[in-house]
Amino acid sequence: AQSVAQPEDQVNVAEGNPLTVKCTYSVSGNPYLFWYVQYPNRGLQFLLKYITGDNLVKGSYGFEAEFNKSQTSFHLKKPSALVSDSALYFCAVRDPTDSWGKLQFGAGTQVVVTP
Amino acid sequence: SAVISQKPSRDICQRGTSLTIQCQVDSQVTMMFWYRQQPGQSLTLIATANQGSEATYESGFVIDKFPISRPNLTFSTLTVSNMSPEDSSIYLCSVALLVGDTEAFFGQGTRLTVV
Repeated sequence: AQSVAQPEDQVNVAEGNPLTVKCTYSVSGNPYLFWYVQYPNRGLQFLLKYITGDNLVKGSYGFEAEFNKSQTSFHLKKPSALVSDSALYFCAVRDPTDSWGKLQFGAGTQVVVTP
Repeated sequence: SAVISQKPSRDICQRGTSLTIQCQVDSQVTMMFWYRQQPGQSLTLIATANQGSEATYESGFVIDKFPISRPNLTFSTLTVSNMSPEDSSIYLCSVALLVGDTEAFFGQGTRLTVV
């Protein structure tokens, strides 16, 4: 069975500082990994994905994530955080053998960026 | 990408009643999913809406409580039946354009409060 863990309920960072949101996964085979962001009273917005290839993937709004197979991690990063990045971030995993494309979500990490 | 319109955006309902949530996509999609996000929690998949056949439900969700329709490749409905306060959640429609490594897109969600 697949699973994904986000060990931090909340991450606090000052504006301009680097932001990292952690995610580890467990899935048989090579996983499909995703990051989504949810702003208050909004649906989920897709940020980026890792399917195959370069371990460093770049996504929307200046975010990037690094796939680390040995550590089974897919941490989300942004070099310089903005106050507008304050939101709820979800890591998700998909079993590539599941042709229906169901996503398993982590618990979510609340990011708070202070001015 | 896909533009997903979900209606209603929010509702307050009396216990014992039912609410039908609509999900309209601006293009034909292969896969449609319904998720639930309980207050302060992550997303949980309710079911996969299959075009022309019965939905496929995840463990813990049953058709009598959450009947789903999908009459064509651009539209689906989720009904929350015989509601109780425990059903108060955000319900999200999600679509995947193709079977494969594509990301899923989400509607804005329906915030349901049962009183």
